[in-house]
Amino acid sequence: EDKVVQSPLSLVVHEGDTVTLNCSYEVTNFRSLLWYKQEKKAPTFLFMLTSSGIEKKSGRLSSILDKKELFSILNITATQTGDSAVYLCAVDTSGTYKYIFGTGTRLKVLA
Amino acid sequence: NAGVMQNPRHLVRRRGQEARLRCSPMKGHSHVYWYRQLPEEGLKFMVYLQKENIIDESGMPKERFSAEFPKEGPSILRIQQVVRGDSAAYFCASSEKTGLNEKLFFGSGTQLSVL
Repeated sequence: EDKVVQSPLSLVVHEGDTVTLNCSYEVTNFRSLLWYKQEKKAPTFLFMLTSSGIEKKSGRLSSILDKKELFSILNITATQTGDSAVYLCAVDTSGTYKYIFGTGTRLKVLA
Repeated sequence: NAGVMQNPRHLVRRRGQEARLRCSPMKGHSHVYWYRQLPEEGLKFMVYLQKENIIDESGMPKERFSAEFPKEGPSILRIQQVVRGDSAAYFCASSEKTGLNEKLFFGSGTQLSVL
């Protein structure tokens, strides 16, 4: 059965810290891996990764995929309280819409 | 440029009642997807629709659940004779087209509580 596992389940840090969120997957047909940020319910798109070793970057957030070891990491540097959210990892197995989601990592950033 | 709009945000139903959840996709998007999120679980795919067509309903329970996306108006997810186990957050997503590496844009969800 296809599965996506995220770790840690939750994380509490102080402003300015750097965090690394992990996502590992076991799927029969990999198309892409996506990261979403979920705060107050609406998941918002962060990154889509399809190729190994190519870092995607957006401000203080960055992500990279390792298709050989079947995992991805999401890094957040110089964390701010506004980064507090649940971060979701999903794998697209069909190239269309059937995402397999992990349960998420709940990040809390303290002032 | 409004995003994916879902209503209501919260819906309370008693066991046996019907729940009707609405979703208006982003402007220009003709593909709609419904996902369900149970407490402490990841989002799970339910159904994929285009205008007037159900393309894939493999993730939707065969009984009591139905979905539609009419030519005019929002997509509707209907749950008949709700049970406590239907309590969850239901998310709608949309995309402009479907194809390789097409990303989905999600709405804020409807939190269904069954008493």
